[in-house]
Formats: sequence, C-alpha cells, structure tokens
Amino acid sequence: DAKTTQPTSMDCAEGRAANLPCNHSTISGNEYVYWYRQIHSQGPQYIIHGLKNNETNEMASLIITEDRKSSTLILPHATLRDTAVYYCIVRVHPKTSYDKVIFGPGTSLSVIP
Amino acid sequence: GAVVSQHPSWVICKSGTSVKIECRSLDFQATTMFWYRQFPKQSLMLMATSNEGSKATYEQGVEKDKFLINHASLTLSTLTVTSAHPEDSSFYICSPLQQGPGHYYSNQPQHFGDGTRLSIL
Repeated sequence: DAKTTQPTSMDCAEGRAANLPCNHSTISGNEYVYWYRQIHSQGPQYIIHGLKNNETNEMASLIITEDRKSSTLILPHATLRDTAVYYCIVRVHPKTSYDKVIFGPGTSLSVIP
Repeated sequence: GAVVSQHPSWVICKSGTSVKIECRSLDFQATTMFWYRQFPKQSLMLMATSNEGSKATYEQGVEKDKFLINHASLTLSTLTVTSAHPEDSSFYICSPLQQGPGHYYSNQPQHFGDGTRLSIL
C-alpha cells in the first residue's frame, strides 16, 4: 500500500499558485518525499524531492513540515499544461538496495482558464 | 537529464497474439527495471522488478508465464505479453533504476518511459 494520502482532486485558476497537500504520517527518518506528475497518456515525470528542508527548482517548491508528517507541493503560477495527476511518494534513496516505488491514487489537478 | 525510450508507444493486435515492449535507457545503465501497468482512471500498479542477468520478481497476482521479462543488458529490458487477450489491454510503463558507481544505485530520481498503450481486439 502507498504510504501517503492525497486529496482525490483539486481545481486551480490559471496563473494562480497550486498548492497540493500530502500526508505521510508514518514516514521514516531515512525516507525522502518525492513528487511526480502524470499528464494524460504519458509516463510519470519527476518534479522534486526532499528530506526535511524545503526545496525549490524550476518547476515547483516543496514545503515539508518540521515533523515531516506532511508536505505541500507548490506550483507558483499554474498553467493549463500543469493539468495532470500528481503523485506524492515516500521512499529511501536507493544506494545498495532499492525501494519499490508504490503509487497511490494521486491528486488530479485541473487548471481552469 | 536521463532519457528512457519505450517502444512501441501504441499497439493494437488480435487476441492470442504475443506483444513485445522494449525499454531502453539511452544515457545511463540500469541494473534494475520496474514494469508497471495502468488501467483507465487508475494509478500505476507495479507488475514486476527485474535485475540484469537474473530472473524477474513478480508482484502478487501477476502471472510470470503471461508477462515474460528479459533484462539481458544494462540498457535494455523487454516485456512480452504472451497470448494477449482483451483483459490485458492496458498502459504499460517501464522504469529503469540508474546504476551509480560500484555496486551502488544512483541517487538520481527514478525515471519512467512514456508508456505503451496496448489494445487487444
């Protein structure tokens, strides 16, 4: 089973920030939070990941609570092309062994003109 | 960034046909490959994990004789759906795990192919 819970769906107005929450209350100390998205009929696309510090890249920002039990993915200026299913996943960084990536249902984000 | 090539992207065939799907890592080596399938309006479901040069490990409920996986090299893995039937129609996605130095895996994020849409008539 997936180790995260996310809202089933969300709407966001074009140009506004999209804030996608994720709960991961059973996260372990060595597990990272990863975010992927899947645009219709494509493979998942990596967005961002983090351990405990907030992270930002050209696509999004990731805010992780101090207790690490939840996080929020922020798309600062949503466009229509950001309409997709967003998956929040927790896993260890693979080193000498790997952790299977298990996908939950994700959040279906609809960006509205 | 890492590039994963999955082929074909779309295939339609008759019931009883076997279909082979290829997944290549174009600019990195992958010791491990994950294969997922996705039914309409559902999430990705892990089918199997393969390691180069050894037998694949299948998830519960996935028939190993139905879904043959060959991971013969560090850049190529194939999934063959044998004697496909309409219920095998789905979106199949590969995900190679990038190998790092020595016996370590890369700390790069997991990459995914663009998927193969299989339709069995």
